[in-house]
Amino acid sequence: GAVVSQHPSWVICKSGTSVKIECRSLDFQATTMFWYRQFPKQSLMLMATSNEGSKATYEQGVEKDKFLINHASLTLSTLTVTSAHPEDSSFYICSARQLYYEQYFGPGTRLTVT
Amino acid sequence: DAKTTQPTSMDCAEGRAANLPCNHSTISGNEYVYWYRQIHSQGPQYIIHGLKNNETNEMASLIITEDRKSSTLILPHATLRDTAVYYCIVRVGTSYDKVIFGPGTSLSVIP
Repeated sequence: GAVVSQHPSWVICKSGTSVKIECRSLDFQATTMFWYRQFPKQSLMLMATSNEGSKATYEQGVEKDKFLINHASLTLSTLTVTSAHPEDSSFYICSARQLYYEQYFGPGTRLTVT
Repeated sequence: DAKTTQPTSMDCAEGRAANLPCNHSTISGNEYVYWYRQIHSQGPQYIIHGLKNNETNEMASLIITEDRKSSTLILPHATLRDTAVYYCIVRVGTSYDKVIFGPGTSLSVIP
């Protein structure tokens, strides 16, 4: 149980385009979802927290207009990187939690912007 | 959340026990010690957590000192698949908090 999936697992896009990453909780209802970003040889950095049906809360320094997060249902959250640039190339990881239960992590999405 | 200190990297021979230390000298009474690991290019994986007592599961053992200022994660018989970055995190259990990652310890299991 407690499986979190992400789609796609890797994506390449051209600079200036937008890309959407999906995060799904497969066997539980996720009241809260988290998005992390990880650059090579660095630790995971929390970008934002979203509760189902509410606006996401972004960590300091994260551009909310660039990283659009939607958590419209209890099993799906999406992260849209708008007007992507090469510096947005990174490993994006989502995590999901059901109320007071543990956070479960997805397998990650590798984004490369050319 | 309290901060933790871990060695940057460690090596362990395959088949031997891997002992990963973590210092959390400012831990509060209601904070748990959690361990996660991240194998290269994968999402983090929960390993174990504890409050005061030592804990064991099918993956590892967690030894917490009596004053709770430090802990050790033990992988009893390390295999090559245990090569990963291990994160020690202190947090207020399963409440409305979030998992914040530090730099972790890069464990290399050597044949």
